Amino acid sequence: SQTIHQWPATLVQPVGSPLSLECTVEGTSNPNLYWYRQAAGRGLQLLFYSVGIGQISSEVPQNLSASRPQDRQFILSSKKLLLSDSGFYLCAWSPAWDSKNIQYFGAGTRLSVL
Amino acid sequence: KQEVTQIPAALSVPEGENLVLNCSFTDSAIYNLQWFRQDPGKGLTSLLLIQSSQREQTSGRLNASLDKSSGRSTLYIAASQPGDSATYLCATPGSHSGNTPLVFGKGTRLSVIA
Repeated sequence: SQTIHQWPATLVQPVGSPLSLECTVEGTSNPNLYWYRQAAGRGLQLLFYSVGIGQISSEVPQNLSASRPQDRQFILSSKKLLLSDSGFYLCAWSPAWDSKNIQYFGAGTRLSVL
Repeated sequence: KQEVTQIPAALSVPEGENLVLNCSFTDSAIYNLQWFRQDPGKGLTSLLLIQSSQREQTSGRLNASLDKSSGRSTLYIAASQPGDSATYLCATPGSHSGNTPLVFGKGTRLSVIA
């Protein structure tokens, strides 16, 4: 069966520090991968999605970047965090071969930038 | 651009009540629509997916309906229980095909009181 792992679960970082959040999927190949952010009082916002290694689409211009160095690994990064980067970050995957686009989510990372 | 709205933002009901959560979308030419559940501080769990050709889907005490012409979907929960307390989100692909990122509503936070 397929599983998705996301870490760390919680993170407290000072303003201006770098960020690296990692997401991996097991039990499937060539998944579509997504990074979402959920800020307080706001809906789930798509940040990046990827349909293959090295293929990243950005939805919102911001202080963040994403990379997909391996087929089932998706990394969210920042060189210098801002206060506004605080939120709940969710990674998700969907099977590329299934047009239903059912997305499966990781447990999330709670990021607090102080 | 597809937009998804959920009303009400929060709902509190006594245990045992039947209840309806509402979801509306601006572009009626949707590919499918999903309902998710999110427990506090956790990731999302997919509950039901309705294809554009379907009018409803059922899973246990949950029933989701879809009316594309009016741009609405409802999630019906029968005989609510305290364990149903969570935030419920609806989402649909952002374009007229399956494998595109989802657009989410802000969710309805449900509290079922014992």
